[in-house]
Amino acid sequence: EPEVTQTPSHQVTQMGQEVILRCVPISNHLYFYWYRQILGQKVEFLVSFYNNEISEKSEIFDDQFSVERPDGSNFTLKIRSTKLEDSAMYFCASSVLYEQYFGPGTRLTVT
Amino acid sequence: QQQVKQSPQSLIVQKGGISIINCAYENTAFDYFPWYQQFPGKGPALLIAIRPDVSEKKEGRFTISFNKSAKQFSLHIMDSQPGDSATYFCAASSGATNKLIFGTGTLLAVQP
Repeated sequence: EPEVTQTPSHQVTQMGQEVILRCVPISNHLYFYWYRQILGQKVEFLVSFYNNEISEKSEIFDDQFSVERPDGSNFTLKIRSTKLEDSAMYFCASSVLYEQYFGPGTRLTVT
Repeated sequence: QQQVKQSPQSLIVQKGGISIINCAYENTAFDYFPWYQQFPGKGPALLIAIRPDVSEKKEGRFTISFNKSAKQFSLHIMDSQPGDSATYFCAASSGATNKLIFGTGTLLAVQP
């Protein structure tokens, strides 16, 4: 069964450093998303991406964040200058339309 | 307006019992209501979903009940098993972007 994959599974970085989180969505899906989940809390929407552009972003998704689909398979989330409060699980998801399938997540730890 | 309220925060059920988790929303533009199951250290897994044009949807032991007038929906897990022990999130979405607004989660423990 096709699934969303994410790399790395765990990323440790120092405050102020740039990180890139990578995702390979399900191949025939058209919509791509990033969500984050701070430990013990609910899942929060960051950004949605369709037709090679951002379709919606949340207040969390400020100028420090960017997304890119550099080729036909990868979808990346970049955080330019990480802060302590960026520590969370980051989930990529993809959908044909409504049904979103999530990847296993990348645990980002900012020290 | 964009919130989805979920209860209870935690739930303990005996094996074979029925687990019931409730969610409520305010935004009448929401038109898709999924439930996700999450095990520790894993991503949310789509369990079952409903659109507002039906009042109930059943898939195996999992049933969503939807009350459009009350703006509430619930997940029923029949014959609950220890393997069902996980965190369950309700969610809602609307519009072209399909962004999911998640509830706060319910930690379900099914005791053998």
